[in-house]
Amino acid sequence: SYVLTQPPSVSVAPGQTARITCGGKNIGSKSVHWHQQKPGQAPVLVFYDDDSDRPPGVLERFSGSNSGNTATLTISRVEAGDEADYYCQVWDSTSDHVVFGGGTKLTV
Amino acid sequence: QVQLVESGGGVVQPGGSLRLSCAASGVTFSMYGMHWVRQAPGKGLEWVALIQYDGSRRYHADSVKGRFTISRDISRNTLYLQMDSLRVEDTAMYYCAKDRISIIENWGQGTMLTVSS
Repeated sequence: SYVLTQPPSVSVAPGQTARITCGGKNIGSKSVHWHQQKPGQAPVLVFYDDDSDRPPGVLERFSGSNSGNTATLTISRVEAGDEADYYCQVWDSTSDHVVFGGGTKLTV
Repeated sequence: QVQLVESGGGVVQPGGSLRLSCAASGVTFSMYGMHWVRQAPGKGLEWVALIQYDGSRRYHADSVKGRFTISRDISRNTLYLQMDSLRVEDTAMYYCAKDRISIIENWGQGTMLTVSS
C-alpha cells in the first residue's frame, strides 16, 4: 500500500517561513491535499491539489508544491495561531484508498 | 455552509456492534461522495471508508474490511457506518467528511467510540 512520510515535528519562529514535507514514491504524479488540526478540534482542509488552490477563507500565507518524491506545504509569516498538526492526504488509485501522512506538529 | 453532525458514539464491549450516523446539511448530499475517518487518542488520522455519491461503490480500509460497512440514505441526507466485531483498537474519534474529487473537503466535529470491557 502507498505510504506517505512526514517529519514528526517542525519548529519555526514567529514571522518566519515553515515548510512541512510529505514524502511518497512518485508523489509528484498525484494530487496532494493538506489538513490542519488544532488541539481538541476537527481537521480543516487548508490547501488542496498541487496547484495554488486554497479553500475559501484560508489565508494566502498557505501554499503548496509537489514534485518528484516530495510535496511541501509552505506557511509564510507564521503566527502563533498556526500552531497545529498538519496532515498530507492523497488518493491511491492502485488500492482505491485514501492515504494520510503520519502528521507533523508545527511549533511556533 | 456545509454542516456535518456525527452521532451514535459511545462505549461498547469487544465483539459488540454500533452504528454511527452523520447528518448533512447545507449541501446537495446526493452529489458528493462521503468518507469516514478515525483518530485514535493521541494518534494520527486513519481513513476508514468512502461511499460514492450515488452509493454505487464503497471502499473500506483493510483494517476494517469485513467488519465495518459504510452506507447512505439520500432521502434523509444521512451517512452511516455500521461497525461489527468491534475491537479495542477501534477506539477512536470518528469523523465524517465530504468528498470532492478525492479531496476530503469538509469535516464534521466527530463522535467518540470506546471499545472496552
